[in-house]
Amino acid sequence: AQSVTQPDIHITVSEGASLELRCNYSYGATPYLFWYVQSPGQGLQLLLKYFSGDTLVQGIKGFEAEFKRSQSSFNLRKPSVHWSDAAEYFCAVVGRGNQFYFGTGTSLTVIP
Amino acid sequence: DVKVTQSSRYLVKRTGEKVFLECVQDMDHENMFWYRQDPGLGLRLIYFSYDVKMKEKGDIPEGYSVSREKKERFSLILESASTNQTSMYLCASSSTGVAYNEQFFGPGTRLTVL
Repeated sequence: AQSVTQPDIHITVSEGASLELRCNYSYGATPYLFWYVQSPGQGLQLLLKYFSGDTLVQGIKGFEAEFKRSQSSFNLRKPSVHWSDAAEYFCAVVGRGNQFYFGTGTSLTVIP
Repeated sequence: DVKVTQSSRYLVKRTGEKVFLECVQDMDHENMFWYRQDPGLGLRLIYFSYDVKMKEKGDIPEGYSVSREKKERFSLILESASTNQTSMYLCASSSTGVAYNEQFFGPGTRLTVL
């Protein structure tokens, strides 16, 4: 069965520091993978997505993610975090029937 | 600009009431989804619909029903609200045809059942 694990419930980083949010997926076939961000009180906004091809994917707001099939991972990165990046981040994999399977989310706090 | 709107941002209801949550999308999308979001549990799919008058159960359909009479509108119904249905409800839509079309989300409805 398809599933997504985000091992870090909460992460705190200083503004200007680098960021990596972890995501591991379980899916038998070629995965379609997504990262979404949810700002406080808002719906989810797509950051980036991976279908095939280049394993390093660029997204909006300076984020990127790298697909590693051997590790079943799709980690999200940003070289320098801004205070406005404080939000909740969700990783998702598309499974059978075009159904999205979301991780439990990682909450990011940015310290000035 | 693409848009998914939900009828209420905040809603307070009493146990046993019938509750309607409305979702409208203006992108002519075939697929629409209802999720509930709870701390530590992420997003869980309640129901989804691939077409008008069609519906499919998601992972947690118990206590909910849905209605899709028009392509742009997808309603979530709590027949008899209970306190364990206090949650954030998110609606989403996507186009059909390929598996990897992103889902567009509404702002959410925070429902409190007293």
